[in-house]
Amino acid sequence: DGGITQSPKYLFRKEGQNVTLSCEQNLNHDAMYWYRQDPGQGLRLIYYSQIVNDFQKGDIAEGYSVSREKKESFPLTVTSAQKNPTAFYLCASSIDMRGAETQYFGPGTRLLVL
Amino acid sequence: AQSVTQLGSHVSVSEGALVLLRCNYSSSVPPYLFWYVQYPNQGLQLLLKYTTGATLVKGINGFEAEFKKSETSFHLTKPSAHMSDAAEYFCAVSLSGSARQLTFGSGTQLTVLP
Repeated sequence: DGGITQSPKYLFRKEGQNVTLSCEQNLNHDAMYWYRQDPGQGLRLIYYSQIVNDFQKGDIAEGYSVSREKKESFPLTVTSAQKNPTAFYLCASSIDMRGAETQYFGPGTRLLVL
Repeated sequence: AQSVTQLGSHVSVSEGALVLLRCNYSSSVPPYLFWYVQYPNQGLQLLLKYTTGATLVKGINGFEAEFKKSETSFHLTKPSAHMSDAAEYFCAVSLSGSARQLTFGSGTQLTVLP
């Protein structure tokens, strides 16, 4: 089955620690995205990648970093600079970045701070 | 820039009653419009989308939405609610000719009462 996988499902971060969230897709999509979801708010874009070896900051990139070394993988690192990391993180992909293309979402990772 | 407003963060309906979830958008160019559904602790799933052509769009699970340019609206309806429809619903907009910009509303939590 084609789809998007995210791991882990739950992740705990200690103060001052960097953590990395995994996102893998086997849909052969060029574009990938990371969103943050907080209660009562919509999704906010953290980073996006239009193609391998290229990525751009979204609306709330501070305290986060990404890489796109392979087409199928787009990991997100939550750094110690992100002071309020507790949230639900969603990865998505689309065939390309034309506005009409559907974004397909993974099951999410919930990040909690110890 | 575009924006999305979902009226009513919580909507309750009785099983078998009409479901109406409201979405209004603002954009300076013709928009593409999406409705996604999210079940607890899961990713988002596309219900339907409007790109061009017929303004009444039918989606999965018996949902439909109508694009009304004069009212800048894209309300989601279902004639008869089912218990399994209880979830959070997100309206989103992107612009023709624009990469990456999928902007989400803040969501509407639908409760279905027995």
